[in-house]
Amino acid sequence: QSALTQPASVSGSPGQSITISCTGTSSDVGGYNYVSWYQQHPGKAPKLMIYDVSGRPSGISNRFSGSKSGNTASLTISGLQAEDEADYYCSSYTSTSTHVVFGGGTKLTVL
Amino acid sequence: QVHLQESGPGLVKPSETLSLTCTVSGGSVSSGSYYWSWIRQPPGKGLEWIGYIFYSGSTTYNPSLKSRVTMSVDTSKDQFSLRLSSVTAADTAVYYCVRKNYYSYYMDVWGKGTTVTVSS
Repeated sequence: QSALTQPASVSGSPGQSITISCTGTSSDVGGYNYVSWYQQHPGKAPKLMIYDVSGRPSGISNRFSGSKSGNTASLTISGLQAEDEADYYCSSYTSTSTHVVFGGGTKLTVL
Repeated sequence: QVHLQESGPGLVKPSETLSLTCTVSGGSVSSGSYYWSWIRQPPGKGLEWIGYIFYSGSTTYNPSLKSRVTMSVDTSKDQFSLRLSSVTAADTAVYYCVRKNYYSYYMDVWGKGTTVTVSS
């Protein structure tokens, strides 16, 4: 069982917006602004999409945005495109001895 | 642009030691701005952080693996390595070497990953 909870799947039509949630505790998501999001296409390595809750690395489309409220972080993808279909993982620092925890992943399907 | 490349055996026998090396190109493992990490992904499952190492040799490991993990760094070759002892089938996974920002907890550069199967 993953330390952070994500929905197993979400879906949306091209052009729509979707949001993926990532729920933790005050020891990780809620206590620190160290939430990051990764996109993984089948057979490929994960790719950093969002860092430190809402930061966007150079080269990442502004259609991707991150936010946090309490113990839940969110990744929003606007203007869905077929190429966005992938697995998405959240990650956070944790004050427990584990240091770094991941969510179980969310499969995004673009209908 | 920094690239990471994993190398090592793709097949390891149960109870033996898994050994992987990551070669850093386009940058230096001696940079004080990054930690060098290992993350794995069992078939069809999610990501699991194994640990990270600083160029000085300072390490932090996932407690669930700590008794079996050793990481090392070779600054002269711009490489860092992972050793995982007493492997079982549960250690079968794609292993990624990854660059972690020193000041935060995000991983911004990933290797392509290497599949390691534990089987006799």
